Amino acid sequence: GAGVSQSPSNKVTEKGKDVELRCDPISGHTALYWYRQRLGQGLEFLIYFQGNSAPDKSGLPSDRFSAERTGESVSTLTIQRTQQEDSAVYLCASSWGGPNTGELFFGEGSRLTVL
Amino acid sequence: KNEVEQSPQNLTAQEGEFITINCSYSVGISALHWLQQHPGGGIVSLFMLSSGKKKHGRLIATINIQEKHSSLHITASHPRDSAVYICAVRRGSQGNLIFGKGTKLSVKP
Repeated sequence: GAGVSQSPSNKVTEKGKDVELRCDPISGHTALYWYRQRLGQGLEFLIYFQGNSAPDKSGLPSDRFSAERTGESVSTLTIQRTQQEDSAVYLCASSWGGPNTGELFFGEGSRLTVL
Repeated sequence: KNEVEQSPQNLTAQEGEFITINCSYSVGISALHWLQQHPGGGIVSLFMLSSGKKKHGRLIATINIQEKHSSLHITASHPRDSAVYICAVRRGSQGNLIFGKGTKLSVKP
């Protein structure tokens, strides 16, 4: 596609429910990143996928968070048993190369509100 | 102390002014990114640097690896440049980007 696409753009859920966020990277981009931005805060790294390598999960805040990526295509970020502190904008970015080769292209984000 | 520090935190300028935003970091890096986040939340990558200087239109980014410092300059600033500018660094081949807290720029007409 023309850009990084994320869905849903907005999600309101009740505490304790599971949510799934989707990211479609730019076609041909081998690297995919998930970030989180809480209200009034800076960006936090969550997870990084590069091709078929094992993902860098060092930023996932708890075992309630998980992410998958199908080859070099779509990624889903799953948050189980959501808590109010999970409320944030979840941003996906992709790049054509590894960490030192590609500029990042960001999606518009998925705004998650946990009531 | 944060690994990536930006200054100033907030900046108000008059249209046409030359603007400088600074970023200092305390870790060894393989690349530095400058990002722009508009009030609506969308993020755009402006530059990725590993050395020297890059220019794109009215924007110039420089980096001094020895001094662990980068600057983003905006010439002939315009109200549409109003946004939050974010510096982020990458260490080695890690996927993790370390972000600064951002500089909120407001350009008045």
